[in-house]
Amino acid sequence: EVQLVESGGGLVQPGRSLRLSCTASGFTFGDYAMSWVRQAPGKGLEWVGFIRSKAYGGTREYAASVKGRFTISRDDSKSIAYLQMNSLKTEDTAVYYCTRCGGDCYTSSNWGQGTLVTVSS
Amino acid sequence: DIQMTQSPSSLSASVGDRVTITCQASQDISNYLNWYQQKPGKAPKLLIYDASNLETGVPSRFSGSGSGTDFTFTISSLQPEDIATYYCQQYDNLRLTFGGGTKVEIK
Repeated sequence: EVQLVESGGGLVQPGRSLRLSCTASGFTFGDYAMSWVRQAPGKGLEWVGFIRSKAYGGTREYAASVKGRFTISRDDSKSIAYLQMNSLKTEDTAVYYCTRCGGDCYTSSNWGQGTLVTVSS
Repeated sequence: DIQMTQSPSSLSASVGDRVTITCQASQDISNYLNWYQQKPGKAPKLLIYDASNLETGVPSRFSGSGSGTDFTFTISSLQPEDIATYYCQQYDNLRLTFGGGTKVEIK
């Protein structure tokens, strides 16, 4: 069974950094792209970005709202995807989900349960 | 970026009713359109991919159609467990965007 478990969320002040982790199990992690999607309280879904598998170059794509501040990485030996968030803003407050997807991450076939990030002074 | 206009934003229907949700893209996205279901307090779940393909294990009362800019998601016979918010999502030019969501309630 595919399982994705996010961790690392919490309360952080504006301008500070936070790193989220997504620990995967139940599949060959290195064969899949991994993405992050967020959801502000009471709002809809917003794509954050994704990282391709090594077979597709391991490159990354980001939404304009986070580009230059957020970095997605992966450790295939540990089956973990990361979301490094720098220069956090109050509008980054959201539940952050990691998802499993293929190729260019067109479709998120599996989702974690999410982790809440609150950016507030 | 491509914008997705999803409607209605909410609807109320009776058990057994046919429910239809539409999603319109601001430009042609071929069939690069997925539908997700999100129940309260839960993560989204993929229901339909590539506009009309039913994800494995998803009940057949869910269906999708369309291509280009206009897409439709249908629940043929609404069940109590279908209470959720439904989102369309497009992928084009390495950018993904979601529709605003449709909250489905039982009348």
